[in-house]
Order: sequence, then structure tokens, then C-alpha cells
Amino acid sequence: DAKTTQPPSMDCAEGRAANLPCNHSTISGNEYVYWYRQIHSQGPQYIIHGLKNNETNEMASLIITEDRKSSTLILPHATLRDTAVYYCIVRVANYNTDKLIFGTGTRLQVFP
Amino acid sequence: GAVVSQHPSRVICKSGTSVKIECRSLDFQATTMFWYRQFPKKSLMLMATSNEGSKATYEQGVEKDKFLINHASLTLSTLTVTSAHPEDSSFYICSASGGPYGYTFGSGTRLTVV
Repeated sequence: DAKTTQPPSMDCAEGRAANLPCNHSTISGNEYVYWYRQIHSQGPQYIIHGLKNNETNEMASLIITEDRKSSTLILPHATLRDTAVYYCIVRVANYNTDKLIFGTGTRLQVFP
Repeated sequence: GAVVSQHPSRVICKSGTSVKIECRSLDFQATTMFWYRQFPKKSLMLMATSNEGSKATYEQGVEKDKFLINHASLTLSTLTVTSAHPEDSSFYICSASGGPYGYTFGSGTRLTVV
């Protein structure tokens, strides 16, 4: 079962920041949070991942709360091409497995 | 960057026939590959994990005799849908571990069984 919960949909105006929340209250201390997005009929695209510290790359920023029970993906200046389904995923890794289990994701609609 | 090539991107087959889907990591070695299935407007569902040179591990509820997985090399995994039926029509996506981001996905295969 997925270990994350996300709102099913969000809207964002073009040029504004899109803040996508994710709850992962059962996350373990060594489990990473990954974010991917999927544009219609394509494979998921990697965005960012983190463990404890906030992370930033050319696509987005990831803010993880101190207790690690939730995180927020920030797209600083959303464009129409950012319209997609965004998945927050907790990587499941133990002695005999290492995999990504997808939740239901958030459908982000960026409007002009 | 890491690139995973999936082929074919789209296939239509007759009911009762078998279809093979290939997943290749082009610029890195993938000891582990994953196969997902996705129905319209739904999330990705993990079907199985394949490790190079060993048998695949299937998720609960996935028929191993229907979905044959072979991971014969560090760059290639194949999924064969055997005796396909219309209910097997779906979007199949592979993923490979080992690239710079940890997991890289292919572009998916749209299977339609008629």
C-alpha cells in the first residue's frame, strides 16, 4: 500500500508558485521521499527527492517538515507545461526489497 | 542523464496471442527493473520486480504465468503478456534502478487487445 496521501487536484495560475502538499505520517527514518510527475500517456518524470533536509534543483524545491511526516513540492514559477499528475512517493527499502509504490497523486492544472 | 527505452510504444494484438515488451537501460546498468500497469485515470500499480539473473518477484494478485518477466542482462528486461485478452489492455511502464536519480522510467507501452 502507498504510504502517502495527496489532494486529488489543484489549480495554479501561470507564473505563480505551485505548492503541492503530501502527507507521509508513517515514514521510517531511512525512507526517502520522491516526487515524480506524469504528463498524459507518458512515463513518469523524476523531479526531486530528499531524506531530511530541504532540497532544490532546476525544476523544483522540496520542503520536508522536521518530523518528516509531510512535505511540500514547490514549482516556483508554474507554466502551462507543468500541467500533469504529481506523485509523492515514499521509497520502500529493506533487506529484501527496494521499490517505489505510487499513491493516487495530485492532478495539477496550470491555467493562463 | 539516465535513459530507459521501452519498445514498442503502442501495440494492438488479437485475443489469445502473446505480446512481448522490451525495456532497456541505455546508458547505465540496471540490476533491478520494475514493471507497472496503469489503467485510464488511475495511478501506476507495481506488478513485479525483476533482478538480473534471477526470478522476478510478483506483487500480490499478479499472475506470474500470464505476465512472464525475463531480466537476462543488466540492460534488458522483457515482459511477455501471454494469451492476451481484452481485459489485459492497459498502459505498461517499466522502470530501472541504478541511474543518477535512483529510478528512471520508460515512456510506456499502450497495449490494446482486440
